[in-house]
Amino acid sequence: DSGVTQTPKHLITATGQRVTLRCSPRSGDLSVYWYQQSLDQGLQFLIQYYNGEERAKGNILERFSAQQFPDLHSELNLSSLELGDSALYFCASSGGGSWGYEQYFGPGTRLTVT
Amino acid sequence: AQKVTQAQTEISVVEKEDVTLDCVYETRDTTYYLFWYKQPPSGELVFLIRRNSFDEQNEISGRYSWNFQKSTSSFNFTITASQVVDSAVYFCALSEAQSGSEKLVFGKGMKLTVNP
Repeated sequence: DSGVTQTPKHLITATGQRVTLRCSPRSGDLSVYWYQQSLDQGLQFLIQYYNGEERAKGNILERFSAQQFPDLHSELNLSSLELGDSALYFCASSGGGSWGYEQYFGPGTRLTVT
Repeated sequence: AQKVTQAQTEISVVEKEDVTLDCVYETRDTTYYLFWYKQPPSGELVFLIRRNSFDEQNEISGRYSWNFQKSTSSFNFTITASQVVDSAVYFCALSEAQSGSEKLVFGKGMKLTVNP
């Protein structure tokens, strides 16, 4: 158990819909990262938050957005869903915002868009 | 640009065999970290090791060992006396200091199957 929690574990929804994925980092970790894992793209970095502020953006679509709340939990919002958005979405956390710390991953949310 | 290549996509071995997973990286940064993660069939990503670019010492942890060679931009992972529980997808990843973020750039992963 990494200490990072993600809900829900599975999500099935239809095209055009909007969903919210939730992540709680390990106790004390200030950085939260979101990654997408799909068969064709592999593991791709989406976005990072540090202590409530956006720190870096990766290959995140404009239809996707995220935020980190004062209690440090984070949410990833996916809207206007397309079939190609079906993937495993991971949240990870690391301590302090210092570079080089290992990231601990949650169990992931498997999103299926039908 | 940063890039991680895991040329092997899939390996199948028999229990107790040794197996080496290759990882080659590209970076223009002189300061970076390399990582290995394991993804068992259950799906979670498990951290295995972190190595910074200034530390080329090899590391051994039980049946696992890592060989970091800057001259060849490689960070290979060896499992000695493999066991069925080692069956998983293994990912090598890179984090650059100059990227302005602690984001990880992953290789495509290598699926290891250890047969009894």
